[in-house]
Amino acid sequence: GAVVSQHPSWVICKSGTSVKIECRSLDFQATTMFWYRQFPKQSLMLMATSNEGSKATYEQGVEKDKFLINHASLTLSTLTVTSAHPEDSSFYICSAIDFNEQFFGPGTRLTVL
Amino acid sequence: DAKTTQPTSMDCAEGRAANLPCNHSTISGNEYVYWYRQIHSQGPQYIIHGLKNNETNEMASLIITEDRKSSTLILPHATLRDTAVYYCIVHRDDKIIFGKGTRLHILP
Repeated sequence: GAVVSQHPSWVICKSGTSVKIECRSLDFQATTMFWYRQFPKQSLMLMATSNEGSKATYEQGVEKDKFLINHASLTLSTLTVTSAHPEDSSFYICSAIDFNEQFFGPGTRLTVL
Repeated sequence: DAKTTQPTSMDCAEGRAANLPCNHSTISGNEYVYWYRQIHSQGPQYIIHGLKNNETNEMASLIITEDRKSSTLILPHATLRDTAVYYCIVHRDDKIIFGKGTRLHILP
């Protein structure tokens, strides 16, 4: 199946700094990617839909100014957590669609000190 | 909210078949049933999907009732590596909303 990668796999940052997470489709082009967040012992929560060449669509309750999404090419979407705080510490997962099937990245664990 | 109901957890002996049930009584005619699993600290992995016929692949079998209101994922010979959270999802368009899933423990 298609492969989706994320970088970095884990990151630790200080409170107040911004962190960028990359999501790449390695062997296919993806006009649509999705970003999820997962807290410990909880299910994945959809944050936003990333569309190549246009603005992302955010789910209710997700702050678009805090979680900046850029989908500038057909193989790359980025999620920037701005002014991160400890409550933003979570497991962030992206996914991309290839031939109507959705493939998930391995996730990025963010820890904000 | 997720449109499926699954047991919170299940145990299965290694080597036996694991049967994971899912209720989706409000499924509409053009919605598919998908199953994913998530091993600890990894991204979800696609297992199988179906519309109304039973499906089988190298990983599992999917049995969908005739009225499509429920389904069962069958792992024919469970191994320790099958320990994971299994998510049953119904959807038609691209957006996937995850429920709480079933935490499957494979017992040695």
